[in-house]
Amino acid sequence: DVKVTQSSRYLVKRTGEKVFLECVQDMDHENMFWYRQDPGLGLRLIYFSYDVKMKEKGDIPEGYSVSREKKERFSLILESASTNQTSMYLCASPSPGSGELFFGEGSRLTVL
Amino acid sequence: GIQVEQSPPDLILQEGANSTLRCNFSDSVNNLQWFHQNPWGQLINLFYIPSGTKQNGRLSATTVATERYSLLYISSSQTTDSGVYFCAVGGRGSTLGRLYFGRGTQLTVWP
Repeated sequence: DVKVTQSSRYLVKRTGEKVFLECVQDMDHENMFWYRQDPGLGLRLIYFSYDVKMKEKGDIPEGYSVSREKKERFSLILESASTNQTSMYLCASPSPGSGELFFGEGSRLTVL
Repeated sequence: GIQVEQSPPDLILQEGANSTLRCNFSDSVNNLQWFHQNPWGQLINLFYIPSGTKQNGRLSATTVATERYSLLYISSSQTTDSGVYFCAVGGRGSTLGRLYFGRGTQLTVWP
């Protein structure tokens, strides 16, 4: 199985702060994903990356950016956090071949 | 994107009961997964099942791809089965691992 590790389980930030969420995968896989989860809405894709320095917008990219400088690491950036970005953020990477998706433990962000 | 509908949205059971969760999707898929989200928010892979039937202990899943639905069966439910169950699908030609999620079924099992 793919192991995906997210750096912070819980964060509390103030409106306007810059926020970095880090994610590392151990399978040397090209694809990595950032999802956001809100109650009653399921998971929605923010951004994904298919190689170093390559990225594509998902379904809800507004207010976010990403960085992929090394293959194993994919960062989600909130340039100026807002209260409507309070959410659970989940990083994922697929098993090579099948595409079975594996998630990190999640980062619960609260913006005050 | 592919629309994914899960039913029921909420399910309350007594320990020992059986249940069936359903997932309908709007297009052809080559990836379908069932996840369980535990109380700490971690998404646990239950099944990777783009077609056919699989069983793992008290859980089993069936996907009928031609009719665009999948079912998750939980038998002899336990309190530890409580949580949110998500169905997610990936379309043919999509980026590997790019999934569309349903809104989940919130399962509560009482002792």
